[in-house]
Amino acid sequence: EIVLTQSPATLSLSPGERAILSCRASQSVGSYLAWYQQKPGQAPRLLIYDASNRATGIPARFSGSGSGTDFTLTISSLEPEDFAVYYCQQRRNWPPWTFGQGTKVEIK
Amino acid sequence: EVQLLESGGALIQPGGSLRLSCAASGFTFSSYSLTWVRQAPGGGLEWVAAISSSGGSTYYADSVKGRFTISRDNSKNTLYLQMSSLRVEDTAVYYCANALCIGGDCSLYYFDSWGRGTPVTVSS
Repeated sequence: EIVLTQSPATLSLSPGERAILSCRASQSVGSYLAWYQQKPGQAPRLLIYDASNRATGIPARFSGSGSGTDFTLTISSLEPEDFAVYYCQQRRNWPPWTFGQGTKVEIK
Repeated sequence: EVQLLESGGALIQPGGSLRLSCAASGFTFSSYSLTWVRQAPGGGLEWVAAISSSGGSTYYADSVKGRFTISRDNSKNTLYLQMSSLRVEDTAVYYCANALCIGGDCSLYYFDSWGRGTPVTVSS
């Protein structure tokens, strides 16, 4: 099973700042990694798939990069609605499809 | 518009059984792989089970294998999760989700549209 480790656990930033979230895999997942956003009381929403492709309707301020074992989700300028928990997920080796433990982006 | 609506969540005693349903609309149900993902209170996301578009292939997390059964009725556009021998640690919100189609391939790689979830509480 591929284990995904996200860092930091919590990121405290102000609106307008850049957010950089990390996801590290226990073994190579190639480019087969996605990012999801989850707000309190809501279902997750797919943001990025195959490491760098934005899902339909996702604003350009969200970008993904990386390959192999190290991946990054960047939010170029935080909007108030971006404060949420973010998860990475791999589909290189399945089952199981595995998620990271999440990074909370909170308002500073 | 894609809609997924879960139902069937309840408070149930350990050892009990429960069947969750997920009614789908807004997409060609029979063409998509589907999945259940759960989230324990205050916890992260955990993949639970998945099923191919035809229903011919099913996959389970080790934590539920032998206790949960995923199935689908393509004539009713509905996904199911039969849960038995429930444990306290199965307490979670259960989400259904459909596959992201990539280049016309709607196999389960990533989870595109999600329902709002149905809560399952296992407690005596």
